[in-house]
Amino acid sequence: AQSVAQPEDQVKVAEGNPLTVKCTYSVSGNPYLFWYVQYPNRGLQFLLKYITGDNLVKGSYGFEAEFNKSQTSFHLKKPSALVSDSALYFCAVRREAAGNKLTFGGGTRVLVKP
Amino acid sequence: EAGVAQSPRYKIIEKRQSVAFWCNPISGHATLYWYQQILGQGPKLLIQFQNNGVVDDSQLPKDRFSAERLKGVDSTLKIQPAKLEDSAVYLCASSHRDGMTYNEQFFGPGTRLTVL
Repeated sequence: AQSVAQPEDQVKVAEGNPLTVKCTYSVSGNPYLFWYVQYPNRGLQFLLKYITGDNLVKGSYGFEAEFNKSQTSFHLKKPSALVSDSALYFCAVRREAAGNKLTFGGGTRVLVKP
Repeated sequence: EAGVAQSPRYKIIEKRQSVAFWCNPISGHATLYWYQQILGQGPKLLIQFQNNGVVDDSQLPKDRFSAERLKGVDSTLKIQPAKLEDSAVYLCASSHRDGMTYNEQFFGPGTRLTVL
């Protein structure tokens, strides 16, 4: 079975400060990892994914994530947060094997204060 | 490129009534997914279609939920009869054919269901 843990229900940062949203996963075999963002009353928007290769993945809106196999983590980062980054963030994992079943974490609400 | 379309956006029904949700995926996307997102939780996959065939429906409560994708394009998710615990946002997503490529899923805006 595969699972994702997002240990923080909420993260608060001041605008301009670095933002980190934590994610750890459990999956058999090689993981494929994803980050999505959800704004109020809207569906999930894809931010970035790790499939293979460089452990540092760059995505949309200045976000990046670092894959750490030994720590089974895939933390989302942004060097300088914006107020408009305030939203709900979801980490998701799937197995390398065929089939695209994603397992999502419980989500982390990010609040960026002006 | 048009995104994933869903309707209705909101629905309020009483328990034991039936309800249906509609999804139109991105053109050319062979794979379609229905998720249930309960408030405060991440989305949970209910069913996955590849064209008009079911790939995974292991978490679909089949005694009350059904879904179809007859022509391999649009899809309908039905709940009959609804229970209070079915109150959630129902998200539809689509992606290119899975195969050996690892494509992200594109999500629609969702249908917020309230069961009274």
